Amino acid sequence: AQSVTQPDIHITVSEGASLELRCNYSYGATPYLFWYVQSPGQGLQLLLKYFSGDTLVQGIKGFEAEFKRSQSSFNLRKPSVHWSDAAEYFCAVGATLFVNNDMRFGAGTRLTVKP
Amino acid sequence: EPEVTQTPSHQVTQMGQEVILRCVPISNHLYFYWYRQILGQKVEFLVSFYNNEISEKSEIFDDQFSVERPDGSNFTLKIRSTKLEDSAMYFCANSRDYTDTQYFGPGTRLTVL
Repeated sequence: AQSVTQPDIHITVSEGASLELRCNYSYGATPYLFWYVQSPGQGLQLLLKYFSGDTLVQGIKGFEAEFKRSQSSFNLRKPSVHWSDAAEYFCAVGATLFVNNDMRFGAGTRLTVKP
Repeated sequence: EPEVTQTPSHQVTQMGQEVILRCVPISNHLYFYWYRQILGQKVEFLVSFYNNEISEKSEIFDDQFSVERPDGSNFTLKIRSTKLEDSAMYFCANSRDYTDTQYFGPGTRLTVL
């Protein structure tokens, strides 16, 4: 079964600094990978997703993620963090076309942005 | 962007009571999902639903849980006899097909006393 690990529970960065949130997945076939953001009291908003093709994926709000099959990773990056980026970030892996369709989420990384 | 809505935003109930959580999906998005997030824990898959049938369910989704589309539009999650450990945020999600992006609702916070 697929699984996701987000090694960092909490990260603090200064506004304007770069950001990288780590995500490692475990899945036997080609994974469908996602990053979601959850602001306090809100639902999950999709930032970006990877199914196939270019391993560097651009998302909304200036985020990007790179799929590295050899490292089973899908890290999220942003060159310059804004205070409004403070939130909880979840990496998720979904099944391929030919298996089931549920998703597995990581435990989340809470991002704090210092002024 | 398409939007999934959920009602109520917060539900407080007594242990042993039945609750129904409602989700209004995006038009023409025919795949439905429920997830829950216990406070401080990860988001967990509960069930997926398509064509008026459960496609898949997790071990969490036991006999106390059920889902349906009672009027062909809304999608509901029923918990028959709530337990304290059912207290969580429940998210509905919706996709156009089973490989497509899942759009999440804002969630219903369920508190069981």
